[in-house]
Amino acid sequence: DGGITQSPKYLFRKEGQNVTLSCEQNLNHDAMYWYRQDPGQGLRLIYYSQIVNDFQKGDIAEGYSVSREKKESFPLTVTSAQKNPTAFYLCASSGQTVYEQYFGPGTRLTVT
Amino acid sequence: RKEVEQDPGPFNVPEGATVAFNCTYSNSASQSFFWYRQDCRKEPKLLMSVYSSGNEDGRFTAQLNRASQYISLLIRDSKLSDSATYLCVVPHLGAGSYQLTFGKGTKLSVIP
Repeated sequence: DGGITQSPKYLFRKEGQNVTLSCEQNLNHDAMYWYRQDPGQGLRLIYYSQIVNDFQKGDIAEGYSVSREKKESFPLTVTSAQKNPTAFYLCASSGQTVYEQYFGPGTRLTVT
Repeated sequence: RKEVEQDPGPFNVPEGATVAFNCTYSNSASQSFFWYRQDCRKEPKLLMSVYSSGNEDGRFTAQLNRASQYISLLIRDSKLSDSATYLCVVPHLGAGSYQLTFGKGTKLSVIP
């Protein structure tokens, strides 16, 4: 079945460590996105990529980095510079209809 | 300034009731609008699109009032399975491409 996978579902890290969240899609979509969701908050865009080897900062890119070496993969690294990294991270992709985004199941990151 | 405002609720309604949510947006240039559904601790999924005055899909009706800049979602004959958070989503033009602005969501609980 086509879809988006994110791993792991839950991730625990110590403060000061970098951590990379995985996002893979087999929908043949060009565009991919990373969002962060905090309790009681809307989704906020971290980074997005319209095409392989190209990506742009979203509204809250500070403390995060991404790469887009393959169409299917868009990993997100949460660096130690991110002041409040504990959150629910959602990856999404979209095809020709840019407004319809398909989301992965998310990764819950807890940093202590 | 991009902004999407929603009543956070919760809306607690009995099975079979009709319930409506409103969403206001600030960007008068927006042409299309979306409702996503997010179950507890899950990823958002597209529920309905609104491109003109409204859209109807079974028990769900989405309406657009451009003059007052609000979108509404009406759910008739509520089912227990309708319990979820409903996210209002408005595209905005970012750095050369459209991105989605998500509202914080309205929580619906349908009670037996």
